[in-house]
Amino acid sequence: DGGITQSPKYLFRKEGQNVTLSCEQNLNHDAMYWYRQDPGQGLRLIYYSQIVNDFQKGDIAEGYSVSREKKESFPLTVTSAQKNPTAFYLCASSMGRESPYNEQFFGPGTRLTVL
Amino acid sequence: AQSVAQPEDQVNVAEGNPLTVKCTYSVSGNPYLFWYVQYPNRGLQFLLKYITGDNLVKGSYGFEAEFNKSQTSFHLKKPSALVSDSALYFCAVRPSYGGATNKLIFGTGTLLAVQP
Repeated sequence: DGGITQSPKYLFRKEGQNVTLSCEQNLNHDAMYWYRQDPGQGLRLIYYSQIVNDFQKGDIAEGYSVSREKKESFPLTVTSAQKNPTAFYLCASSMGRESPYNEQFFGPGTRLTVL
Repeated sequence: AQSVAQPEDQVNVAEGNPLTVKCTYSVSGNPYLFWYVQYPNRGLQFLLKYITGDNLVKGSYGFEAEFNKSQTSFHLKKPSALVSDSALYFCAVRPSYGGATNKLIFGTGTLLAVQP
């Protein structure tokens, strides 16, 4: 899982609550990503950030929000507007846009369950 | 639309036999191609990538992959499977001129089951 940490490993949320998933990297990577994984659907991109203080929506951004105030941190908030948040969430990082052929490194994931 | 297809949800192989996990892609321009492996309740681990050059790419744990431009394929292979290779495998692609991002397009994954 490289130099990326995600916490918590398991998270339980009641309906109507917002929760924040943590992602920290010590790889000095410029780019960071959040994916959602559901069985049979592969990985879907929620948000990504190419540089500090900048981020863009991915394919399924509705009901999620992010911030990128520090290079090493990219927290994801799952809001009450997300209708089906139960999933496995993966954070990743990579070198910046000047190195497009470099692989992404993934954290160990956070499993979110809505009660 | 740009996409990656992994046509097999599951591949079963006996230990010691060769294995192949298939991947085809549809992107504009020349692609950068990646294979990742995921063990249960873990993040993805990078196996190998194709950028340019030799069509046969060697990666971690004895895996290799063959890039075939005419068939737009990037199949993952291993000469002799191990029970410990049992995991979920993802193919991913990034167009070589994907603009100002390094976004990857992932396939839906193939579960490899190696029987002892």
